[in-house]
Amino acid sequence: DAGVIQSPRHEVTEMGQEVTLRCKPISGHDYLFWYRQTMMRGLELLIYFNNNVPIDDSGMPEDRFSAKMPNASFSTLKIQPSEPRDSAVYFCASSLRASGNTIYFGEGSWLTVV
Amino acid sequence: AQTVTQSQPEMSVQEAETVTLSCTYDTSESNYYLFWYKQPPSRQMILVIRQEAYKQQNATENRFSVNFQKAAKSFSLKISDSQLGDTAMYFCAFILNYGGATNKLIFGTGTLLAVQP
Repeated sequence: DAGVIQSPRHEVTEMGQEVTLRCKPISGHDYLFWYRQTMMRGLELLIYFNNNVPIDDSGMPEDRFSAKMPNASFSTLKIQPSEPRDSAVYFCASSLRASGNTIYFGEGSWLTVV
Repeated sequence: AQTVTQSQPEMSVQEAETVTLSCTYDTSESNYYLFWYKQPPSRQMILVIRQEAYKQQNATENRFSVNFQKAAKSFSLKISDSQLGDTAMYFCAFILNYGGATNKLIFGTGTLLAVQP
């Protein structure tokens, strides 16, 4: 089975540009998570969805960040406008309630804002 | 609030030897899960092992095993017969279990393990 699929794997963009990160969760999983990893703050949960509905977005740093999940097989994390401090690895992850909370991660999207 | 602490920022082990990574956590809840994730230089997060808090038996996955001490809130990872491919950052993680519903996965700060040839 395919794992969590993220795109792009690497992106370099200029400050002020819009960035869109994409995620396809594991088929059948009903939870989707967006995490951010930086050296300073480690792994942070930004937002998570259950059955396409946002459950907790308290980790979203500010209004420049937004996330959507229009259907069970696709989610986006958008940053507009991007800033250098947004440079990080962004992970998408998914889980199935019935599987006992095991969360599976994608390979991450490495974002650099210059 | 739940917290996860990994007190060893870095560790080193010789190939074929055994190493133990420490993790402690704090919670007032009784129903939760604990995990160890491995992050190699590729940055991918790979699940190593999982432990349900209600199980007394320690989880084992091939060369990886845990020592789960619920009263002490301790969850250490033992890697036997270390291999060069085990070189990675290891994260301890915790998640509450509310009636089976998924909740936030809380990570420790990680331990960087280097396996020396």
